[in-house]
Amino acid sequence: TQLLEQSPQFLSIQEGENLTVYCNSSSVFSSLQWYRQEPGEGPVLLVTVVTGGEVKKLKRLTFQFGDARKDSSLHITAAQPGDTGLYLCAGAKGYSTLTFGKGTMLLVSP
Amino acid sequence: NAGVMQNPRHLVRRRGQEARLRCSPMKGHSHVYWYRQLPEEGLKFMVYLQKENIIDESGMPKERFSAEFPKEGPSILRIQQVVRGDSAAYFCASSNAGTLYEQYFGPGTRLTVT
Repeated sequence: TQLLEQSPQFLSIQEGENLTVYCNSSSVFSSLQWYRQEPGEGPVLLVTVVTGGEVKKLKRLTFQFGDARKDSSLHITAAQPGDTGLYLCAGAKGYSTLTFGKGTMLLVSP
Repeated sequence: NAGVMQNPRHLVRRRGQEARLRCSPMKGHSHVYWYRQLPEEGLKFMVYLQKENIIDESGMPKERFSAEFPKEGPSILRIQQVVRGDSAAYFCASSNAGTLYEQYFGPGTRLTVT
């Protein structure tokens, strides 16, 4: 059973376009993390959200945690080729162990 | 570089050999987690350790796999008698006691079993 569903699985866009990727679950999480992973490397933590309805901005990236803490979205404005990578969401229940979605592979072409 | 360190980055083992993967957590972090990433699958939790203690090993296969985090030195993930199905990327993450869910990952060890 995949607890965290990410959509779309793959997204190919042109530089300058906006995009939103989603992370959905039927379970409630105490916190949710977004990571970006490049080929051959480990995931890099982008943001942590812990409060239902919370919105965090990181330059051109906007992260939102759903009111019920079951889902999250990542919006990128004016995407750049450097944004290319695998975007992973991960939810924590309780103290520590993370459950990961399978990710959204983003390709931004010049 | 105060990030999470893993070595080796690449490891090739023949079926039946042992694999030892090492992880040094980020400076100031005392909590270590191991995850496995298989092709076409997401990252899967394996084990959570603190110094000299295994806190949660619910994701670890019951046989051939073991992990430790000694008082001194890196955390070790050991796979005995490797099989081809063990081929995967193994990632270590660390966190501090205040924000356990905020985990920082190392670059991973790519294990290939031939």
